[in-house]
Amino acid sequence: DIQMTQSPSSLSASVGDRVTITCRTSQNIDNYLNWYQQKPGQAPKLLIHGASNLQSGVPSRFSGSGSGTDFTLTISSLQPEDFATYYCQQSYTRLAFGGGTKVEI
Amino acid sequence: QVQLQESGPGLVRPSQTLSLSCTVSGGSMTGGGDYWSWIRQPPGKGLEWIGYIYNTGSVYYNSSLDSQVSMSVDTSKNLFSLKLASVTAADTALYYCARGTTSLKGWPIDSWGQGILVTVSS
Repeated sequence: DIQMTQSPSSLSASVGDRVTITCRTSQNIDNYLNWYQQKPGQAPKLLIHGASNLQSGVPSRFSGSGSGTDFTLTISSLQPEDFATYYCQQSYTRLAFGGGTKVEI
Repeated sequence: QVQLQESGPGLVRPSQTLSLSCTVSGGSMTGGGDYWSWIRQPPGKGLEWIGYIYNTGSVYYNSSLDSQVSMSVDTSKNLFSLKLASVTAADTALYYCARGTTSLKGWPIDSWGQGILVTVSS
């Protein structure tokens, strides 16, 4: 099974900050890496697919990069509505999720 | 825009079988390239993938749950189902059904149900 290591598990940031979340996989997954945002009481929402492709309707301050085993989600200028938990997920072999990163004020 | 809705009992006794269904509306399940998944989230914790099924009936399960899980699909009724046997309190979670697509790079999950809370308790 592919293991997903997401870091940090939580972070504190302010509006306007640049935020970076990393995801590392235990084996090469090419670009089969996706990022989701989850707010309390809501289902997760797809932000980035294929490591770097912005999902339709998602603000351009979100971006993704990486390939192989190391991936990054970046929020260029944190907005109040971005305080949430973020998950990476691989689809290379079956599915698996990272442990999540809670972005707090 | 496809919509998904989970249904089933909110309370299951320990050692019993948890059974949930997911009804798909606003689209067909027969289109190639889509996979239909179950994901759960224990209270206050992260997401755990349970398994997914294609409209052909091919299934793939999380290896940690393989001995407990079975999934089925009925494309004529636009629904798919989950059974989780011999449940314990550790299976208490919010259960989501979701659609994944191979039409997007990375084969992501692009549609989710609202989730159904299932509690395992006597």
